[in-house]
Amino acid sequence: DIVLTQSPATLSVTPGESVSLSCRASQGISTSIHWYQQKSNESPRLLIKFASQSISGIPSRFSGSGSGTDFTLSINRVESEDFSVYYCQQSYSLPLTFGSGTKLEIK
Amino acid sequence: EVQLVESGGGLVQPGRSMKLSCAASGFTFSNYGMAWVRQAPTKGLEWVATISYDGSSTYYRDSVKGRFTISRDNAKSTLYLQMNSLRSEDTATYYCTSFAPFDYWGQGVMVTVSS
Repeated sequence: DIVLTQSPATLSVTPGESVSLSCRASQGISTSIHWYQQKSNESPRLLIKFASQSISGIPSRFSGSGSGTDFTLSINRVESEDFSVYYCQQSYSLPLTFGSGTKLEIK
Repeated sequence: EVQLVESGGGLVQPGRSMKLSCAASGFTFSNYGMAWVRQAPTKGLEWVATISYDGSSTYYRDSVKGRFTISRDNAKSTLYLQMNSLRSEDTATYYCTSFAPFDYWGQGVMVTVSS
């Protein structure tokens, strides 16, 4: 199984700061990585697909990069509504797997 | 507007069965692969099963293989998950989602396996 390691587990930031969240795969997965946001008591929402492809309706401050084993979700100037948990997920091979998540919290 | 509405959850005893349904609207259901993803209380997301757009191919995580069956009725735009021999570790919120990636999500339905 492909293991996705997200870091840090928790990130404390002040609104207006820009942040980068990391996701590392246990083997090369090309660009078959997707990012989701999950707010408390809500369903997950797709933010970025295939490492860097934008999703309609998602604010442009969210962007993704990377290929192979190292991937990054960047948020430019964090807003109050962005404080939630972020998951990466790989679709390179079965079983499909998710990272354990990064919680973005207010400092 | 895309909608995925799950139903069928609740409390069930270990070893018993339960069937989840997911009614889809707002998109061409028969063109999409679909999946079930679950989330145990306070835990992360876990893929459970996937079915191709026409139902010809299905895939499962090892821990549910042989116990769970994913199926679909394209005429009714509905996805199903038949869960047999339920265990306490199956306790989770189950989400219906389109695939792949998981772009549309339902609101989730809670399944609690307990005596």
